[in-house]
Amino acid sequence: QVQLVQSGAEVKKPGASVKVSCKASGYTFTTYDINWVRQATGQGLEWMGWMNPNRGNTGYAQKFQGRVTMTRNTSISTAYMELSSLRSEDTAVYYCARGPTTFDAFDIWGQGTMVTVSS
Amino acid sequence: DIVMTQSPDSLAVSLGERATINCKSSQSVSHSSNNKNYVAWYQQKPGQPPKLLISWASTRESGVPDRFSGSGSGTDFTLTISSLQSEDVAVYYCQQYYSTPRTFGQGTKVEIK
Repeated sequence: QVQLVQSGAEVKKPGASVKVSCKASGYTFTTYDINWVRQATGQGLEWMGWMNPNRGNTGYAQKFQGRVTMTRNTSISTAYMELSSLRSEDTAVYYCARGPTTFDAFDIWGQGTMVTVSS
Repeated sequence: DIVMTQSPDSLAVSLGERATINCKSSQSVSHSSNNKNYVAWYQQKPGQPPKLLISWASTRESGVPDRFSGSGSGTDFTLTISSLQSEDVAVYYCQQYYSTPRTFGQGTKVEIK
């Protein structure tokens, strides 16, 4: 079945970086965009950016410009989101989500990856 | 950025009764070229990722019960649950995908009265 499976929980210190993976299966990885959305505990959903796995082009929310990098490895159908200069406010569940095109809703979501930033 | 504002923040509805959630965008999310409304509705249960219920403001995803319906255009949108079931207890989010950054409403928590 179509699914996105994310890497496991991470605990990082302030100032460090984290890289979360999102492995696609059940469909052709390069034909759908991958978006990243985060959710702090008890809070709403915050879109971070998107990537086209075919071309590798990306678009990031202004808030994360300079701190986030989205990449992919098409040979293993996996997308990555790396966030640097972590601070406590980055503690959240990070989701990858598939979008059929750049202008589409997110039809398949990963299970989420908890990232905790703590000294 | 387009701001999506949902109302109410929470509501309690009796089993079998109607639940209505509103979502207002700070600017139009409708494209005049194709007459489409770039609004989606998601359902999120505790400990789970969001699940897409409705796209294009009113198109139900495959497998979504027909008690869920979406309506609206321009800047005002509505999600209706016609007959609330116990499994519908969740937080519901609207989202616009008309422009970047994609933005979500703050969420509406639906509970059983």
